[in-house]
Amino acid sequence: SQTIHQWPATLVQPVGSPLSLECTVEGTSNPNLYWYRQAAGRGLQLLFYSVGIGQISSEVPQNLSASRPQDRQFILSSKKLLLSDSGFYLCAWNGGAPYEQYFGPGTRLTVT
Amino acid sequence: QKEVEQDPGPLSVPEGAIVSLNCTYSNSAFQYFMWYRQYSRKGPELLMYTYSSGNKEDGRFTAQVDKSSKYISLFIRDSQPSDSATYLCAMSAAGGTSYGKLTFGQGTILTVHP
Repeated sequence: SQTIHQWPATLVQPVGSPLSLECTVEGTSNPNLYWYRQAAGRGLQLLFYSVGIGQISSEVPQNLSASRPQDRQFILSSKKLLLSDSGFYLCAWNGGAPYEQYFGPGTRLTVT
Repeated sequence: QKEVEQDPGPLSVPEGAIVSLNCTYSNSAFQYFMWYRQYSRKGPELLMYTYSSGNKEDGRFTAQVDKSSKYISLFIRDSQPSDSATYLCAMSAAGGTSYGKLTFGQGTILTVHP
């Protein structure tokens, strides 16, 4: 069966510090991968998606970037965090059909 | 105007009540309509999906889609305290560059009290 991992689970970082969040998927190959952000009391905002190694599409211009160095690894980064980057970051993979999107456990980021 | 609108609630009901959750949307290209359940501090989990218009039932849950009105609903019968969560509607177009990209509503916070 497929499993999606995210780490760290919780992160507190000062403004201006760098960021690296990692997501890995097990049990599938060549998945579509997605990064979402969920602000408190809000819905999910799609940040990036990837259909293959090195292929990244950005949905929202911002302070973040994404990379996919391996087939089942997706990384979210920032060079300098802003207060507005605080939120719950979710990685997801697509199981083949448009409705089959499965989410990881998330990383709660607080920028202070 | 947001592509998907969902009343954030919060919604509080007694155990055993019928719950109705709704979303409206503006993008006619949406063909897949999903409901996700998200427990506190967890990732969302897919609850149900419907393709195009119609109804779909799964146990105590019924999803309805009315594409002519651009309106979708999720009904929960005999609600239980374990149903307390945030319910997110999500939508996707079929094929093309929109494939697999979901647009979410804001989420409705539901509390079922014993």
